[in-house]
Amino acid sequence: QVTLKESGPGILQPSQTLSLTCTFSGFSLSTYGMGVGWIRQPSGKGLEWLANIWWDDDKYYNPSLKNRLTISKDTSNNQAFLKITNVDTADTATYYCARIPRELDYFDYWGQGVMVTVSS
Amino acid sequence: DIVMTQSPSSLAVSAGETVTINCKSSQSLLSSGNQKNYLAWYQQKPGQSPKLLIYLASTRESGVPDRFIGSGSGTDFTLTISSVQAEDLADYYCQQHYSYPDTFGAGTKLELK
Repeated sequence: QVTLKESGPGILQPSQTLSLTCTFSGFSLSTYGMGVGWIRQPSGKGLEWLANIWWDDDKYYNPSLKNRLTISKDTSNNQAFLKITNVDTADTATYYCARIPRELDYFDYWGQGVMVTVSS
Repeated sequence: DIVMTQSPSSLAVSAGETVTINCKSSQSLLSSGNQKNYLAWYQQKPGQSPKLLIYLASTRESGVPDRFIGSGSGTDFTLTISSVQAEDLADYYCQQHYSYPDTFGAGTKLELK
């Protein structure tokens, strides 16, 4: 049974760094072809892809967030991480992590999401 | 970036109707290598995370009812829901998984008439 769960700070101030953790079970990020992605959704709005990390540690980022994103993983503890530097109110959203099967870049299992608010 | 344009943005339906949601990409999603279209559809109910319905344009994810049908090729794609049920009322998103950055359509809200 595949599950993913996101965790984060809940609220942070502008200019701080947002650190998110995705803890998963039912699959391994050391398995060939497997990946984990991060996607966010502001309240009442659509989905925005942020970053993917693959079994071989290959990483891809959304260029619209320029150099603010860093994705990483801890294979032995079944976790993936996302950091977003220099946050502002536009980063307020629900953040999801999701599994990517078979190198095909779609997301077959999603976490429940974690809401993050950026406010002074 | 590949831009995904969904239409309509909202749709009011009665139970039992057949509905069609359209998704158009700014570039072809057809791989010349394997002749597959890299387009996925998701359903998101209020307060829930998105759920994968369809990938590779027409392959239904395991456990998804067969009233959900994905079709199309190249730049034009359709999600058809036959005999809509109350449980199908949700937001629907298309996503291209052909090239980075991954991009989603703006969504279609399916509401009860």
